[in-house]
Amino acid sequence: AQSVTQPDIHITVSEGASLELRCNYSYGATPYLFWYVQSPGQGLQLLLKYFSGDTLVQGIKGFEAEFKRSQSSFNLRKPSVHWSDAAEYFCAVGADNAGNMLTFGGGTRLMVKP
Amino acid sequence: KAGVTQTPRYLIKTRGQQVTLSCSPISGHRSVSWYQQTPGQGLQFLFEYFSETQRNKGNFPGRFSGRQFSNSRSEMNVSTLELGDSALYLCASSSDTGIRTEAFFGQGTRLTVV
Repeated sequence: AQSVTQPDIHITVSEGASLELRCNYSYGATPYLFWYVQSPGQGLQLLLKYFSGDTLVQGIKGFEAEFKRSQSSFNLRKPSVHWSDAAEYFCAVGADNAGNMLTFGGGTRLMVKP
Repeated sequence: KAGVTQTPRYLIKTRGQQVTLSCSPISGHRSVSWYQQTPGQGLQFLFEYFSETQRNKGNFPGRFSGRQFSNSRSEMNVSTLELGDSALYLCASSSDTGIRTEAFFGQGTRLTVV
């Protein structure tokens, strides 16, 4: 069975600073990896996804993530954080034989200092 | 194009009652997945319906059930409500089943059990 760990429950960064959110997954085969963002009172919005190929993937809102098979990681990065990026971020993994089922990490709440 | 619509947005029920939540997917989408989000357990997959058939089911008791209609609208039902069922219930709509198709989430139904 797959699992996802997001080691940081809360992260605070200053506006304009760089950001890296960590995600580690456990899955026997090649994983399908996703990052979602959730603003208060809202559903989830897909930021980016990795299926195969180039291990550095670009997403919306200036986010990128790098898949590292040797470290079982899929960390999310942004070079310069904006106040509007304050939200909760979820890493998720899916599998070929499980339909649309996603297994989510516990989430990282990002706060942005002015 | 209208997004995923979940109704109602908020619901308060008493222990022991039952509740039905509704999800209208994006027009043309045939897959609907349901997730439960709680502070303690995070985001957990409940089930997926595709073309009126349940395709996958998460690890929840039989009190949680669902169905999908011929127009792809889906309902989930929780019987004999417990305090621990208080959660945000999210629905995700996809054009097809299979992890490569993007899931679009609704804003959720906030259920409070008292």
